[in-house]
Amino acid sequence: AQKVTQAQTEISVVEKEDVTLDCVYETRDTTYYLFWYKQPPSGELVFLIRRNSFDEQNEISGRYSWNFQKSTSSFNFTITASQVVDSAVYFCALSEPTQGGSEKLVFGKGTKLTVNP
Amino acid sequence: DTEVTQTPKHLVMGMTNKKSLKCEQHMGHRAMYWYKQKAKKPPELMFVYSYEKLSINESVPSRFSPECPNSSLLNLHLHALQPEDSALYLCASSQDPGGGNIQYFGAGTRLSVL
Repeated sequence: AQKVTQAQTEISVVEKEDVTLDCVYETRDTTYYLFWYKQPPSGELVFLIRRNSFDEQNEISGRYSWNFQKSTSSFNFTITASQVVDSAVYFCALSEPTQGGSEKLVFGKGTKLTVNP
Repeated sequence: DTEVTQTPKHLVMGMTNKKSLKCEQHMGHRAMYWYKQKAKKPPELMFVYSYEKLSINESVPSRFSPECPNSSLLNLHLHALQPEDSALYLCASSQDPGGGNIQYFGAGTRLSVL
């Protein structure tokens, strides 16, 4: 079965620091998809990125960057020059196919990031 | 536009009440999902509807009854809930039910069962 591990339960940084959130996954599938979501205190899960197993290119979007390494089964997320608005719980997730063709997301336990002014 | 709308935002109900949660999307998505999230935990999948048919039921108690009247609307009917059912209930939708499609989430309904 799929598994996602986010070993960091909580991280606290000061504004403008860089911070990396770790995500390690386990799967026997050769084709799979990884996701990162942000959940601010308001509760809505906000989609950040999707990466498929065949695309190991790193991605940068503004202050956000993602490092996908199949060799270590990791999909880490870095925020550069963090801001108070980045404070949220961040979830890494892995797609898991089910009978009938639907997929479910297997979430890690989440990392709570607090950015202090 | 990737908006999923959930109503109500907050709900307080007694254990003998019957209530419904509503979820709506107008993105033409053919898969819709209900998740339950307890405090400081990740979301847990409850149900998946694929092309308006129930595709996945994650062994959810019968006091939770999903309904998909049409491709844009998803309801969750609640009856005889227990205090431990208090949680954030999230709805999501995706273009298709498989293939790594991105799930877009609503803001959720915070449910308190007294």
